[in-house]
Amino acid sequence: SAVISQKPSRDICQRGTSLTIQCQVDSQVTMMFWYRQQPGQSLTLIATANQGSEATYESGFVIDKFPISRPNLTFSTLTVSNMSPEDSSIYLCSGERGGIDTQYFGPGTRLTVL
Amino acid sequence: GQQVMQIPQYQHVQEGEDFTTYCNSSTTLSNIQWYKQRPGGHPVFLIQLVKSGEVKKQKRLTFQFGEAKKNSSLHITATQTTDVGTYFCAGLLTGGTSYGKLTFGQGTILTVHP
Repeated sequence: SAVISQKPSRDICQRGTSLTIQCQVDSQVTMMFWYRQQPGQSLTLIATANQGSEATYESGFVIDKFPISRPNLTFSTLTVSNMSPEDSSIYLCSGERGGIDTQYFGPGTRLTVL
Repeated sequence: GQQVMQIPQYQHVQEGEDFTTYCNSSTTLSNIQWYKQRPGGHPVFLIQLVKSGEVKKQKRLTFQFGEAKKNSSLHITATQTTDVGTYFCAGLLTGGTSYGKLTFGQGTILTVHP
């Protein structure tokens, strides 16, 4: 299975600030994704992180709010901008090995916005 | 858009009882995957089903994919306390704008009473 690390593991932030979450995957991963999961809820896909180009966002998510970078195959960042308490959630990155379709998830970042 | 419905939302069983969760998609799937998320943890891949009518087993877990590739089930025989967690199905479409993206069901939270 792919190895995926994510940091920070948790953070408590003030309203109006921004937080950047980092995701590092091993070299077997081709596609990378960012998800949000509210406590006790399912996973909602935010965007697909594309290497060297703009991320592909799902309906309801925009680049200004969730800018994503993926400068190389193995690293991606998600920024939660101008945070409000509604952004409190768990943010997960995942990686998919080429041609296999299954996704491996990082440990998640638990974000609390006060 | 594609929807994946999963029932039940919660299931409480006594240790030793069986457990089943069901998944239904509004559209035909390329494949369906199952993930388990322990309390406080991240989703972990369990299995992938690709073929119409496919049945796979992992020890006490039996996974089925419907003939029409629109529904799936996970059955656990003789549950143990280690089975506690949330079980998610996730459907994969190929082609179009949904290529490579998983749509997760709402999850079934399993509680096992010793």
